[in-house]
Amino acid sequence: DAGVIQSPRHEVTEMGQEVTLRCKPISGHDYLFWYRQTMMRGLELLIYFNNNVPIDDSGMPEDRFSAKMPNASFSTLKIQPSEPRDSAVYFCASSLYPTGELFFGEGSRLTVL
Amino acid sequence: SQQGEEDPQALSIQEGENATMNCSYKTSINNLQWYRQNSGRGLVHLILIRSNEREKHSGRLRVTLDTSKKSSSLLITASRAADTASYFCATDPSGYSTLTFGKGTMLLVSP
Repeated sequence: DAGVIQSPRHEVTEMGQEVTLRCKPISGHDYLFWYRQTMMRGLELLIYFNNNVPIDDSGMPEDRFSAKMPNASFSTLKIQPSEPRDSAVYFCASSLYPTGELFFGEGSRLTVL
Repeated sequence: SQQGEEDPQALSIQEGENATMNCSYKTSINNLQWYRQNSGRGLVHLILIRSNEREKHSGRLRVTLDTSKKSSSLLITASRAADTASYFCATDPSGYSTLTFGKGTMLLVSP
């Protein structure tokens, strides 16, 4: 398996624009997680899915953030409208168990100007 | 709030030396994991130790867990320049269904 695949790797956009980040988890993994990493706050869990169903979205900072998982092989994290404070690295991870070994993608570095 | 706290925040050593990083946590756990993150890359799982284990080895890595002190240590022996990375501990606090990560220790190994 190629591992968790995220796109884009880098995104530079202007404030107010819509941003969509994409993730393909490892086949067979029932759990998918979206994390955000910043120097100030470290690694924060935004939302996670089990069998394509959102289980806990309490980490999603605002209504501007939304995530979907239409099928077992694809998930998106959308920010609309984006703001400079959303600048961070967003990671997708998948696993067989919710507290087992996580497999991370390479991340999407978002810069909002 | 942060469950795991790594110490030190940064560590600089020479190749061949051993590196020790510590992780303290607040509540009881089922397991504790260590991850490595190279600059600009995703996190990579290193090792998992369960709450009923005291020590675990994997290659040049040795992890200890002291549940009475709510702490863990990661020892990298005979470090190499390629070990330069950030190291994170992650815990699954009892009653929580997901992992909580610390802010990490930045390790610099100089040739």
